[in-house]
Amino acid sequence: KAGVTQTPRYLIKTRGQQVTLSCSPISGHRSVSWYQQTPGQGLQFLFEYFSETQRNKGNFPGRFSGRQFSNSRSEMNVSTLELGDSALYLCASSLGWSREENTEAFFGQGTRLTVV
Amino acid sequence: SQQGEEDPQALSIQEGENATMNCSYKTSINNLQWYRQNSGRGLVHLILIRSNEREKHSGRLRVTLDTSKKSSSLLITASRAADTASYFCATVLEGSGYSTLTFGKGTMLLVSP
Repeated sequence: KAGVTQTPRYLIKTRGQQVTLSCSPISGHRSVSWYQQTPGQGLQFLFEYFSETQRNKGNFPGRFSGRQFSNSRSEMNVSTLELGDSALYLCASSLGWSREENTEAFFGQGTRLTVV
Repeated sequence: SQQGEEDPQALSIQEGENATMNCSYKTSINNLQWYRQNSGRGLVHLILIRSNEREKHSGRLRVTLDTSKKSSSLLITASRAADTASYFCATVLEGSGYSTLTFGKGTMLLVSP
């Protein structure tokens, strides 16, 4: 069974630009979550989508947005990039909430975004 | 803010020794999970323990959970160089209805041959 695929793996963007990251979850998984990882703040939750609906959102500014398509693939977008947005962005898929085991998350390799 | 806090922040041991990492959290949880991350790559799920469980084993891993102290520990027995990685605990909040994981800052484990 194919794992979680994130594209691209690496990105270099200029401050002020916008960026779109993509995540293809494991087949059959309906929940996709996004996390930002930085050395200073660690792993921080961005948002979670389940069946095309955002059902939870972390404490990030509105420049960070996402969506999920009917095939469960998800994208996240960051507009007006700032230097502090440089991070590893991780996508995780899971079956979704119904039993505790379904919250086990499978992570992609991440997209490393560098803002210059 | 982070829900979980791991202790120690870094741990250096020799192959064959046991490694113990601790995690504390602040609010009531549904379950607690441990993940491993190798050098800036994706996280790999290791083990999940429910709030009504006290101990769980998986291969060389042993996890305990004390909900009264809001703490968990991960024990890796007979460590190997390949166990070198960062280890994170993550909690799913009680009654949240979400799959959202709240992570601690992690413990960096170095296992020397």
